[in-house]
Amino acid sequence: ILNVEQSPQSLHVQEGDSTNFTCSFPSSNFYALHWYRWETAKSPEALFVMTLNGDEKKKGRISATLNTKEGYSYLYIKGSQPEDSATYLCAHGLISGGGADGLTFGKGTHLIIQP
Amino acid sequence: EAGVTQFPSHSVIEKGQTVTLRCDPISGHDNLYWYRRVMGKEIKFLLHFVKESKQDESGMPNNRFLAERTGGTYSTLKVQPAELEDSGVYFCASSLVGLASPLHFGNGTRLTVT
Repeated sequence: ILNVEQSPQSLHVQEGDSTNFTCSFPSSNFYALHWYRWETAKSPEALFVMTLNGDEKKKGRISATLNTKEGYSYLYIKGSQPEDSATYLCAHGLISGGGADGLTFGKGTHLIIQP
Repeated sequence: EAGVTQFPSHSVIEKGQTVTLRCDPISGHDNLYWYRRVMGKEIKFLLHFVKESKQDESGMPNNRFLAERTGGTYSTLKVQPAELEDSGVYFCASSLVGLASPLHFGNGTRLTVT
């Protein structure tokens, strides 16, 4: 994998259901993995920053895991609510000298929660 | 704390004109990044400042783009002369400890080149 890939591209979920989506990234020269929540007409808002293999982070009903050896991260949302509707972006950062200094973003997973 | 602010929020210019975008990061954030999102594509890195120094400008598309951060506070991104393909949303973000800490994004400047 050369780029950051997110799947699925879009997802419709019933209110109250739980859901998860995937981010795949290059495993070499890994430094950090970020998740952002992006609502229309607003700026991306940070959810999690993970740097260690096996990291698990949680914020309310949202959690994320990280596997740097195989190059993937999962984002989980438990008991989806309408306000969870947004695009969820995954972004990967390389170690200094391993490539560009900035984050490489995926195209995002567009989540729609249906009441 | 005040967030990252960007000005203007929208700009419509003609091909060949010049536009300057401004970003005020969160106070105390030494790391400042510029990103761009072209319609339908992913957000792409342009460059990274630490204080007033350019750490990495490998994402800058070409020499029509010039970024500065005088005094290590606010930053400007100038496009001169603008081309049609420069249209997109330009985001500025700042962080406390580089990529080990979350990026705080501004609301972006939507640039349309006609």
